[in-house]
Amino acid sequence: SAVISQKPSRDICQRGTSLTIQCQVDSQVTMMFWYRQQPGQSLTLIATANQGSEATYESGFVIDKFPISRPNLTFSTLTVSNMSPEDSSIYLCSVQTGVGTEAFFGQGTRLTVV
Amino acid sequence: RKEVEQDPGPFNVPEGATVAFNCTYSNSASQSFFWYRQDCRKEPKLLMSVYSSGNEDGRFTAQLNRASQYISLLIRDSKLSDSATYLCTATDSWGKLQFGAGTQVVVTP
Repeated sequence: SAVISQKPSRDICQRGTSLTIQCQVDSQVTMMFWYRQQPGQSLTLIATANQGSEATYESGFVIDKFPISRPNLTFSTLTVSNMSPEDSSIYLCSVQTGVGTEAFFGQGTRLTVV
Repeated sequence: RKEVEQDPGPFNVPEGATVAFNCTYSNSASQSFFWYRQDCRKEPKLLMSVYSSGNEDGRFTAQLNRASQYISLLIRDSKLSDSATYLCTATDSWGKLQFGAGTQVVVTP
């Protein structure tokens, strides 16, 4: 398993501002992901955070809105840029130790945009 | 069509009873399947893996039916603490997990 520390756990932000969420893993992992979960909804994959290269974004998500960094195999950040109330959601960092293996999640960041 | 679909419930279950629910997946190439439990305002936590031969862990039993492309979860002797949302997942063609929207289970005294 992997222990994941995600912060902040929650934040209330003004529209038009940006928030950066950090994810720290206690061991080196190959696969690292960022998800969004809106109330009562499924987890939606935003992107795969690639170490040393640009993230791979899923349909409907773009780098300008959700820039991601992954400087090494234990750390990643997700920025939610130019926020609007529609961005209010829970954002989750996740890791898989290998292709097809189970995923482990950070505690999530509950974001409210006002 | 969503890749993984679940009955959202809620399944209202008397304490001590058995509850079972399914999850269907659309990608016949999916190789790995898991059930997660998510409590309100918490992150999903792995409940159990689903193997081709089935998997049992205490009161929980998971089954895989590849022919019909569904997985199931059965909870025996339900406890109040089993109340949660249960998410099923299947891997996509790249080994990433696709999640269902979850099935809510409410165990009542």
